[in-house]
Amino acid sequence: EAGVVQSPRYKIIEKKQPVAFWCNPISGHNTLYWYLQNLGQGPELLIRYENEEAVDDSQLPKDRFSAERLKGVDSTLKIQPAELGDSAVYLCASSFGQGRTGELFFGEGSRLTVL
Amino acid sequence: SQQGEEDPQALSIQEGENATMNCSYKTSINNLQWYRQNSGRGLVHLILIRSNEREKHSGRLRVTLDTSKKSSSLLITASRAADTASYFCATDSDDTNAGKSTFGDGTTLTVKP
Repeated sequence: EAGVVQSPRYKIIEKKQPVAFWCNPISGHNTLYWYLQNLGQGPELLIRYENEEAVDDSQLPKDRFSAERLKGVDSTLKIQPAELGDSAVYLCASSFGQGRTGELFFGEGSRLTVL
Repeated sequence: SQQGEEDPQALSIQEGENATMNCSYKTSINNLQWYRQNSGRGLVHLILIRSNEREKHSGRLRVTLDTSKKSSSLLITASRAADTASYFCATDSDDTNAGKSTFGDGTTLTVKP
């Protein structure tokens, strides 16, 4: 069974440029999460989807970040414009059954460097 | 803000020794999970313990939970070089928000061959 797939794995851009990350969750997982992980820290939730509905986006900086999960399967996280402080790893995770089993399955992450 | 705090921040041991890391949290929880992250990789789920459980085992892993002290510990017995990684605890605060796992900043474990 394929795991959570993220792309790109690495992205280097200059500040003020836009960037987008893509995530394909495990088949059948209706809950999808985007986390941000700074160096030496744990993941912080940006947004959580139940199918195509964003049920928790309270931590998403909406002035520059946006996300979508149009058909309730794969998802895209966008930053426009990027700032130096956005350099981090963006992790996508998925789970089955609204996460009530507690187990999240993570992708390998997309490492963003903003110059 | 992070819910869980791991202690110690870093731990270095010899292969074959046991490694113990601790997690403290602030609010009441539905469950607590431990994850491992190898350098440059995603997180991998290790074990979940529910709020009504006190101890759980999985292979060389032993997790305890003390809800009165709002703390958990992860014990890795007979450690191997391959156990070198960062270990994170994550908590689900309540059942209505199940799946909103809140992570600590992790313990970096180094196992020397």
